[in-house]
Amino acid sequence: GAGVSQSPRYKVTKRGQDVALRCDPISGHVSLYWYRQALGQGPEFLTYFNYEAQQDKSGLPNDRFSAERPEGSISTLTIQRTEQRDSAMYRCASSLAMVRQANYGYTFGSGTRLTVV
Amino acid sequence: KNEVEQSPQNLTAQEGEFITINCSYSVGISALHWLQQHPGGGIVSLFMLSSGKKKHGRLIATINIQEKHSSLHITASHPRDSAVYICAVRWYSGGGADGLTFGKGTHLIIQP
Repeated sequence: GAGVSQSPRYKVTKRGQDVALRCDPISGHVSLYWYRQALGQGPEFLTYFNYEAQQDKSGLPNDRFSAERPEGSISTLTIQRTEQRDSAMYRCASSLAMVRQANYGYTFGSGTRLTVV
Repeated sequence: KNEVEQSPQNLTAQEGEFITINCSYSVGISALHWLQQHPGGGIVSLFMLSSGKKKHGRLIATINIQEKHSSLHITASHPRDSAVYICAVRWYSGGGADGLTFGKGTHLIIQP
Protein backbone atom coordinates (compact mmCIF):
# COMPACT_ATOMS: atom_id res chain seq x y z
CA GLY A 1 0.00 0.00 0.00
CA ALA A 2 0.90 3.66 -0.14
CA GLY A 3 1.56 3.95 3.57
CA VAL A 4 1.67 2.01 6.80
CA SER A 5 -1.85 0.94 7.69
CA GLN A 6 -2.98 0.10 11.19
CA SER A 7 -6.28 -1.32 12.33
CA PRO A 8 -8.45 -0.73 14.11
CA ARG A 9 -8.02 3.03 14.50
CA TYR A 10 -9.79 2.93 17.84
CA LYS A 11 -10.37 0.04 20.20
CA VAL A 12 -12.28 0.14 23.46
CA THR A 13 -12.15 -3.06 25.43
CA LYS A 14 -13.08 -4.26 28.86
CA ARG A 15 -10.39 -5.08 31.35
CA GLY A 16 -9.40 -8.73 31.09
CA GLN A 17 -10.19 -9.09 27.41
CA ASP A 18 -7.56 -9.92 24.79
CA VAL A 19 -6.93 -7.51 21.90
CA ALA A 20 -5.06 -7.88 18.63
CA LEU A 21 -3.69 -4.85 16.83
CA ARG A 22 -2.70 -5.08 13.22
CA CYS A 23 0.02 -3.34 11.24
CA ASP A 24 0.30 -3.57 7.48
CA PRO A 25 3.65 -2.05 6.46
CA ILE A 26 4.63 -0.64 3.14
CA SER A 27 5.13 -3.47 0.68
CA GLY A 28 8.75 -4.56 0.62
CA HIS A 29 9.73 -2.91 3.86
CA VAL A 30 12.05 -5.17 5.77
CA SER A 31 12.00 -3.74 9.28
CA LEU A 32 8.87 -3.23 11.33
CA TYR A 33 8.72 -1.55 14.74
CA TRP A 34 6.01 -1.47 17.35
CA TYR A 35 5.91 1.26 19.94
CA ARG A 36 3.33 2.86 22.17
CA GLN A 37 2.70 6.34 23.44
CA ALA A 38 0.73 7.23 26.50
CA LEU A 39 -1.08 10.56 26.52
CA GLY A 40 1.38 13.39 26.99
CA GLN A 41 4.38 11.09 26.94
CA GLY A 42 7.10 10.31 24.40
CA PRO A 43 7.01 7.08 22.43
CA GLU A 44 8.15 3.85 24.11
CA PHE A 45 9.78 1.12 22.04
CA LEU A 46 8.14 -2.30 22.29
CA THR A 47 9.67 -4.66 19.72
CA TYR A 48 10.84 -4.94 16.15
CA PHE A 49 11.19 -7.40 13.31
CA ASN A 50 13.52 -7.87 10.39
CA TYR A 51 11.48 -9.90 7.90
CA GLU A 52 9.64 -12.46 10.03
CA ALA A 53 12.30 -12.63 12.74
CA GLN A 54 11.65 -10.81 15.98
CA GLN A 55 14.99 -9.17 16.70
CA ASP A 56 14.37 -7.46 19.99
CA LYS A 57 11.44 -7.74 22.35
CA SER A 58 13.06 -6.18 25.35
CA GLY A 59 10.57 -3.33 25.29
CA LEU A 60 7.51 -5.50 25.78
CA PRO A 61 6.24 -4.60 29.27
CA ASN A 62 5.42 -8.15 30.39
CA ASP A 63 4.41 -11.56 29.09
CA ARG A 64 0.86 -10.43 28.34
CA PHE A 65 2.29 -8.68 25.30
CA SER A 66 3.39 -10.60 22.22
CA ALA A 67 3.95 -9.83 18.58
CA GLU A 68 4.34 -11.81 15.42
CA ARG A 69 5.05 -11.23 11.77
CA PRO A 70 4.76 -14.75 10.36
CA GLU A 71 5.26 -13.99 6.68
CA GLY A 72 7.50 -10.98 7.02
CA SER A 73 4.76 -8.54 6.09
CA ILE A 74 1.69 -7.92 8.28
CA SER A 75 2.35 -7.89 11.99
CA THR A 76 0.00 -8.41 14.91
CA LEU A 77 0.56 -7.12 18.43
CA THR A 78 -1.50 -9.07 20.94
CA ILE A 79 -2.26 -8.00 24.47
CA GLN A 80 -3.80 -10.65 26.68
CA ARG A 81 -5.89 -9.97 29.77
CA THR A 82 -5.80 -6.23 29.17
CA GLU A 83 -5.40 -3.84 32.06
CA GLN A 84 -6.24 -0.15 32.30
CA ARG A 85 -2.56 0.76 32.29
CA ASP A 86 -2.33 -0.73 28.78
CA SER A 87 -4.38 2.20 27.45
CA ALA A 88 -2.24 4.12 24.96
CA MET A 89 -1.72 4.86 21.30
CA TYR A 90 -0.02 1.86 19.70
CA ARG A 91 1.90 2.71 16.56
CA CYS A 92 4.00 0.81 14.11
CA ALA A 93 6.61 1.99 11.70
CA SER A 94 8.35 0.27 8.84
CA SER A 95 11.63 0.79 7.08
CA LEU A 96 12.92 -0.38 3.74
CA ALA A 97 16.22 -1.65 5.07
CA MET A 98 17.48 -3.59 8.04
CA VAL A 99 18.38 -1.42 10.93
CA ARG A 100 22.14 -1.49 10.48
CA GLN A 101 21.81 -0.05 7.00
CA ALA A 102 21.35 3.43 8.30
CA ASN A 103 20.35 5.04 5.02
CA TYR A 104 16.61 4.57 5.20
CA GLY A 105 14.09 6.27 7.41
CA TYR A 106 10.84 5.17 8.91
CA THR A 107 7.30 5.52 7.72
CA PHE A 108 4.84 5.67 10.59
CA GLY A 109 1.30 4.38 10.77
CA SER A 110 -1.55 6.44 12.20
CA GLY A 111 -1.79 4.21 15.22
CA THR A 112 -4.46 2.35 17.16
CA ARG A 113 -5.89 4.18 20.15
CA LEU A 114 -6.52 1.50 22.77
CA THR A 115 -8.72 2.27 25.74
CA VAL A 116 -9.19 -0.34 28.42
CA VAL A 117 -12.19 0.31 30.64
CA LYS B 1 20.40 0.72 27.27
CA ASN B 2 20.77 4.06 25.56
CA GLU B 3 19.65 7.12 27.48
CA VAL B 4 18.31 9.93 25.32
CA GLU B 5 17.96 13.40 26.74
CA GLN B 6 16.28 16.27 24.94
CA SER B 7 16.36 19.91 25.82
CA PRO B 8 14.48 22.04 26.30
CA GLN B 9 11.33 20.13 27.23
CA ASN B 10 9.17 23.13 26.39
CA LEU B 11 9.95 26.11 24.21
CA THR B 12 7.80 29.10 23.33
CA ALA B 13 9.16 31.58 20.81
CA GLN B 14 8.00 34.38 18.55
CA GLU B 15 7.48 33.96 14.85
CA GLY B 16 10.72 34.44 12.97
CA GLU B 17 13.03 33.35 15.75
CA PHE B 18 15.82 30.83 15.20
CA ILE B 19 15.03 27.65 17.13
CA THR B 20 17.46 25.05 18.45
CA ILE B 21 16.47 21.74 20.02
CA ASN B 22 19.15 19.49 21.45
CA CYS B 23 19.48 15.73 21.85
CA SER B 24 22.17 13.84 23.73
CA TYR B 25 22.58 10.09 24.00
CA SER B 26 24.79 7.82 26.04
CA VAL B 27 25.78 4.89 23.80
CA GLY B 28 27.23 4.70 20.30
CA ILE B 29 24.53 4.68 17.66
CA SER B 30 23.97 3.57 14.09
CA ALA B 31 21.51 6.36 13.29
CA LEU B 32 19.61 9.23 14.86
CA HIS B 33 16.16 10.35 13.79
CA TRP B 34 14.33 13.61 14.28
CA LEU B 35 10.57 13.22 14.28
CA GLN B 36 7.76 15.76 14.34
CA GLN B 37 4.49 15.01 16.06
CA HIS B 38 1.56 17.33 15.41
CA PRO B 39 -1.19 18.05 17.93
CA GLY B 40 -3.45 15.58 16.11
CA GLY B 41 -0.94 12.82 16.89
CA GLY B 42 0.51 12.09 13.46
CA ILE B 43 4.26 11.52 13.34
CA VAL B 44 6.45 12.61 10.47
CA SER B 45 10.06 11.56 10.04
CA LEU B 46 12.10 14.72 9.41
CA PHE B 47 15.68 13.52 9.24
CA MET B 48 17.82 10.47 9.68
CA LEU B 49 21.47 11.14 10.43
CA SER B 50 24.53 9.03 10.96
CA SER B 51 27.05 11.85 10.52
CA GLY B 52 27.38 15.49 9.56
CA LYS B 53 24.49 17.72 8.67
CA LYS B 54 21.29 17.64 6.67
CA LYS B 55 19.06 20.47 5.52
CA HIS B 56 15.51 20.46 4.28
CA GLY B 57 13.84 23.79 3.74
CA ARG B 58 14.02 25.76 6.97
CA LEU B 59 15.07 22.72 8.98
CA ILE B 60 18.67 21.79 9.66
CA ALA B 61 19.87 18.77 11.63
CA THR B 62 23.43 18.22 12.78
CA ILE B 63 25.11 15.41 14.64
CA ASN B 64 28.45 15.14 16.44
CA ILE B 65 29.24 11.46 16.85
CA GLN B 66 32.20 12.04 19.17
CA GLU B 67 30.16 14.19 21.53
CA LYS B 68 27.03 12.01 21.18
CA HIS B 69 24.94 15.05 20.48
CA SER B 70 22.56 16.23 17.80
CA SER B 71 20.73 19.48 17.22
CA LEU B 72 17.65 20.38 15.22
CA HIS B 73 17.44 23.98 14.05
CA ILE B 74 14.47 25.83 12.60
CA THR B 75 15.18 29.08 10.80
CA ALA B 76 12.55 31.80 10.38
CA SER B 77 10.14 29.89 12.61
CA HIS B 78 6.43 29.98 11.86
CA PRO B 79 3.34 29.10 13.92
CA ARG B 80 2.82 26.02 11.77
CA ASP B 81 6.13 24.70 13.15
CA SER B 82 4.40 24.28 16.51
CA ALA B 83 4.62 20.59 17.35
CA VAL B 84 6.46 18.10 19.52
CA TYR B 85 9.90 17.28 18.17
CA ILE B 86 11.25 13.88 19.13
CA CYS B 87 14.77 12.52 18.89
CA ALA B 88 15.14 8.74 18.46
CA VAL B 89 18.34 6.73 18.28
CA ARG B 90 19.13 3.29 16.90
CA TRP B 91 21.95 1.53 18.67
CA TYR B 92 23.70 -1.78 18.91
CA SER B 93 22.30 -3.66 21.90
CA GLY B 94 24.41 -6.76 21.41
CA GLY B 95 23.63 -10.32 20.37
CA GLY B 96 22.82 -9.21 16.84
CA ALA B 97 19.93 -7.03 17.94
CA ASP B 98 19.45 -3.30 17.73
CA GLY B 99 17.65 -1.07 20.16
CA LEU B 100 15.54 1.98 19.56
CA THR B 101 15.19 4.64 22.20
CA PHE B 102 13.07 7.75 21.99
CA GLY B 103 13.58 11.03 23.78
CA LYS B 104 10.64 12.51 25.67
CA GLY B 105 10.19 15.21 23.09
CA THR B 106 10.39 19.01 22.98
CA HIS B 107 7.08 20.82 22.89
CA LEU B 108 7.54 23.86 20.63
CA ILE B 109 5.06 26.69 20.37
CA ILE B 110 5.64 29.50 17.89
CA GLN B 111 3.50 32.54 18.59
CA PRO B 112 2.54 34.92 15.79
